[in-house]
Amino acid sequence: KQEVTQIPAALSVPEGENLVLNCSFTDSAIYNLQWFRQDPGKGLTSLLLIQSSQREQTSGRLNASLDKSSGRSTLYIAASQPGDSATYLCAVGYNDMRFGAGTRLTVKP
Amino acid sequence: NAGVTQTPKFQVLKTGQSMTLQCAQDMNHEYMSWYRQDPGMGLRLIHYSVGAGITDQGEVPNGYNVSRSTTEDFPLRLLSAAPSQTSVYFCASSPFGTRAMNTEAFFGQGTRLTVV
Repeated sequence: KQEVTQIPAALSVPEGENLVLNCSFTDSAIYNLQWFRQDPGKGLTSLLLIQSSQREQTSGRLNASLDKSSGRSTLYIAASQPGDSATYLCAVGYNDMRFGAGTRLTVKP
Repeated sequence: NAGVTQTPKFQVLKTGQSMTLQCAQDMNHEYMSWYRQDPGMGLRLIHYSVGAGITDQGEVPNGYNVSRSTTEDFPLRLLSAAPSQTSVYFCASSPFGTRAMNTEAFFGQGTRLTVV
């Protein structure tokens, strides 16, 4: 059974800092990995989708990497802003989507 | 373009009551799914559908029913609500299903359900 873990569960950083969120999964047989953002009381917004044949994807200040063999993905956020404060979830896709519990990020002004 | 629309946004039920959570998407996606989100546990798959007339169980299907009569709609029915079903429910859709590398999932805004 696929298990997805996100570390840390919560992270607080000052504005402007570069940061890395981690996602690990136990079964490397995946089709893709997706990073989502969730604001309090809201739904999930897709940030980046990495196909299993890809190593990384970039969108603006966000860069996500995927290492299938080691079962790891990272989400790098450059020059963090208070507006980046949210919960970030990763999900791996195979027969279904398996989610991690998320990392709650707070960026302090 | 509305995307994925869920109704209602909030609901309080008494134990034993039944209700239907509605989900509709206007993107002509074949794959639709329902998740529940509980604190500290991430999202867990309840049921999913790969197309009209086809549904299957996910990780936590007990106490829930689904049907898919059209591509656009995928309602989730709670047969006899229990306090353990207190959760936030999300509906999602994607064009190709999870068995495709380039499929991106789109989520509704969620339904917050409380069973007392």
